[in-house]
Amino acid sequence: DAKTTQPPSMDCAEGRAANLPCNHSTISGNEYVYWYRQIHSQGPQYIIHGLKNNETNEMASLIITEDRKSSTLILPHATLRDTAVYYCIVRLFTFAGGTSYGKLTFGQGTILTVHP
Amino acid sequence: DSGVTQTPKHLITATGQRVTLRCSPRSGDLSVYWYQQSLDQGLQFLIQYYNGEERAKGNILERFSAQQFPDLHSELNLSSLELGDSALYFCASRTGNSGNTIYFGEGSWLTVV
Repeated sequence: DAKTTQPPSMDCAEGRAANLPCNHSTISGNEYVYWYRQIHSQGPQYIIHGLKNNETNEMASLIITEDRKSSTLILPHATLRDTAVYYCIVRLFTFAGGTSYGKLTFGQGTILTVHP
Repeated sequence: DSGVTQTPKHLITATGQRVTLRCSPRSGDLSVYWYQQSLDQGLQFLIQYYNGEERAKGNILERFSAQQFPDLHSELNLSSLELGDSALYFCASRTGNSGNTIYFGEGSWLTVV
């Protein structure tokens, strides 16, 4: 799986958009970009994923550059409860005999602190 | 609520002992993953099972073993426990063949004293 680079920490004011960058310059064509977050010692929570198109769901938006070498997770209106460690993960999704593999390899992530 | 259930939530045991952590995946999910998170190591992949068979192995110690049963629940067995085994152990599950997303349980806190 391709390696990702994220800033170790970021701050955001409550109510403002939080834009979390991720570099994955060695990503290959069949690797997806996933975002998870972990709120203090809870289980990692799935946020969003994409291959090459921008994606949006009820939690966030994912913007992937055209060359797919970087992406940005956008939390449109951050709240105090969004304070967490955010992980950007590039994951190869392979099939073998109809069975899919593809574990998630976590890096250090970005500690996002949302302040009042 | 991710739908992945882990028990026990907290466990304190002595060095040298053996414990079993249990995981019930989301309904219909065939793949189960186990992860360890200690303070200085981050989230480390241990092992994956798919429909009862081992599929991938990570940094799992020989003292640790896992299995997935016909009803798809999984157990992680930790033996000859050492102080350094104190950690959060997460189970995650994913639907086979077409499911892209892995969902995590809330973890089992293991403290070895």
